Amino acid sequence: NAGVTQTPKFQVLKTGQSMTLQCAQDMNHEYMSWYRQDPGMGLRLIHYSVGAGITDQGEVPNGYNVSRSTTEDFPLRLLSAAPSQTSVYFCASSYSQGTKTYGYTFGSGTRLTVV
Amino acid sequence: KNEVEQSPQNLTAQEGEFITINCSYSVGISALHWLQQHPGGGIVSLFMLSSGKKKHGRLIATINIQEKHSSLHITASHPRDSAVYICAVRPRYGGATNKLIFGTGTLLAVQP
Repeated sequence: NAGVTQTPKFQVLKTGQSMTLQCAQDMNHEYMSWYRQDPGMGLRLIHYSVGAGITDQGEVPNGYNVSRSTTEDFPLRLLSAAPSQTSVYFCASSYSQGTKTYGYTFGSGTRLTVV
Repeated sequence: KNEVEQSPQNLTAQEGEFITINCSYSVGISALHWLQQHPGGGIVSLFMLSSGKKKHGRLIATINIQEKHSSLHITASHPRDSAVYICAVRPRYGGATNKLIFGTGTLLAVQP
C-alpha cells in the first residue's frame, strides 16, 4: 500500500543505547519530517528534509541525527538514548508546488520508552 | 502563547449531537490541516484548507483567513468519531519547507 511506513512500532531502550527509527515513503514526496508527540503538547518537529541530500533541524533536534540519501528513506537516529526521549515518534511526508502544499501523510508512529 | 490554539481541549457528546471544534492561529498561513488520531493510533489527514469550506461525509471544515480561525464540524456524531482532533498550520514564513505548527489537540468522546 502506498504511504509512509515506520518501523518499529514499539521499542524499549536502556539509557545510553543507540537505535535507528526507520521511515520510508513510496509517493515520491520531496519533503519528509520527524515529529515527537508528548502528553499535553502539540507535535514538535525534530528534523526535516526538503529533498535527497538536504536535511535541517527543527524545534527539538538535540540527541537526534538524520540523513536523506534517497528520496524514499529518512531514518532518525538516537545517538545515546535518555529517558527524556521517551515519546511517540511520527514520520511524515508531503510535497509542494510553489506555495501550495499537497498530500501530508503520516506514518503509524513508533512508541519509544527509554528506561 | 502558542501560535495555534484549539478549543475545547476536551469534549464529551452524546451520539447524534452536532459537534464543533475550533482552531485559532496567530501567524500568516498558506494552509491549515485538520488531523484525526484514534487512541494509540496513527495520524490521519482529514482536510487541508486554504480558504472557504470543505465537506467529506459527516465532516465539515471551514476557515476564515481574515479572522485567523477554522472550525471542524461533525454532524450526527457517532462513537467511532471518538478521537483526538488536531489542527495544524503551514506558516507562510516557512518558505520552501512544509513545516507545520500543531495545536495540542481536542479529545472528543462520543457516548452511545
